[in-house]
Amino acid sequence: GQSLEQPSEVTAVEGAIVQINCTYQTSGFYGLSWYQQHDGGAPTFLSYNALDGLEETGRFSSFLSRSDSYGYLLLQELQMKDSASYFCAVEDDRDDKIIFGKGTRLHILP
Amino acid sequence: NAGVTQTPKFQVLKTGQSMTLQCAQDMNHNSMYWYRQDPGMGLRLIYYSASEGTTDKGEVPNGYNVSRLNKREFSLRLESAAPSQTSVYFCASSKTDPGSNIQYFGAGTRLSVL
Repeated sequence: GQSLEQPSEVTAVEGAIVQINCTYQTSGFYGLSWYQQHDGGAPTFLSYNALDGLEETGRFSSFLSRSDSYGYLLLQELQMKDSASYFCAVEDDRDDKIIFGKGTRLHILP
Repeated sequence: NAGVTQTPKFQVLKTGQSMTLQCAQDMNHNSMYWYRQDPGMGLRLIYYSASEGTTDKGEVPNGYNVSRLNKREFSLRLESAAPSQTSVYFCASSKTDPGSNIQYFGAGTRLSVL
């Protein structure tokens, strides 16, 4: 079977750093991506990792370890507007689809 | 630059009624997708189309049909709506570019079946 595991909720303080983990078990793998979704909104793409290591985009970074089937999203200098749900997703190399995790709800305290 | 456009934004149906959700993209993408999102369940793939003229089942296809009318448009049809189909439906598109499947989503259709 195919599955992605990520925590359902994470709470952090404004200005702090938070890490959202994702482990996956899939039959095929091209890469791991992350999406952000605000309440009532549509998911929007944040980052993509095809190779092991860290990718940085402003305050957001994403990490992948293919040998461990593990990745994480790191958010720095948290702002209240970062309160949202974050989804990891695996691109399957057997066909043209991606598989989403169930999402992590990030709560930010002032 | 509209991106992915879904209509309608909201819909209420009675059990047994039928309807079609419309989706169009203007990014010249080959691949299009329909997802449903329920609380705590993430995004579940209903159907997808890797190119014009082809469609494939996703994780939860039962009760739905799709049509890839042309490269731009991909519609989702509920032939006989059931309360279990109450959900938020998202259409998405992407390039057919292995190793970088970045999906662009429409704003969603909020469907209630009574």
